[in-house]
Amino acid sequence: KNEVEQSPQNLTAQEEEFITINCSYSVGISALHWLQQHPGGGIVSLFMLSSGKKKHGRLIATINIQEKHSSLHITASHPRDSAVYICAVITGNQFYFGTGTSLTVIP
Amino acid sequence: DSGVTQTPKHLITATGQRVTLRCSPRSGDLSVYWYQQSLDQGLQFLIHYYNGEERAKGNILERFSAQQFPDLHSELNLSSLELGDSALYFCASSVVWGWDTEAFFGQGTRLTVV
Repeated sequence: KNEVEQSPQNLTAQEEEFITINCSYSVGISALHWLQQHPGGGIVSLFMLSSGKKKHGRLIATINIQEKHSSLHITASHPRDSAVYICAVITGNQFYFGTGTSLTVIP
Repeated sequence: DSGVTQTPKHLITATGQRVTLRCSPRSGDLSVYWYQQSLDQGLQFLIHYYNGEERAKGNILERFSAQQFPDLHSELNLSSLELGDSALYFCASSVVWGWDTEAFFGQGTRLTVV
């Protein structure tokens, strides 16, 4: 049983396309994080959400607590956005991760 | 650069051996988290330390143990290694206990068990 489901698993987009990655979870959470992992392996925390919506540059993250769903949007995508995007949820003292969405942006 | 330092970056060892992975958190961060990322399991939470005390355990095997020292660096000890322990091991640090604050990840230690 996966507490966190992400879709799609793989995504290829043309440069400048609008991209959406989805995350659904089955547990009550105190927070949700979106992480970015580049091919070299390093992980960067993009957003921490407990409600509503956040925006950093071309990235937007939203969460709907009632529906147990979050989305990560990338506007005007660029090849440097190519990475694996991972959704992580925190419930109590436990952390659960999605399997990641591998994004490739083609010039 | 996240400010979190993990050593070594790569480690190759034989089955049955024991290794120690080291993590130095960002200056001022009291919390250290350890994660394992394998090809078949994805990212998994192992253990969380706050200011020297264990605060939460995830899917950490009994063969694995960790500690956080007075200078706040942390070590993850993996013993009786098996082929399936081959993975990337990440640590992350944050300012306060809890995950409702941003965490910063180290570059990871890639462990290969042969």
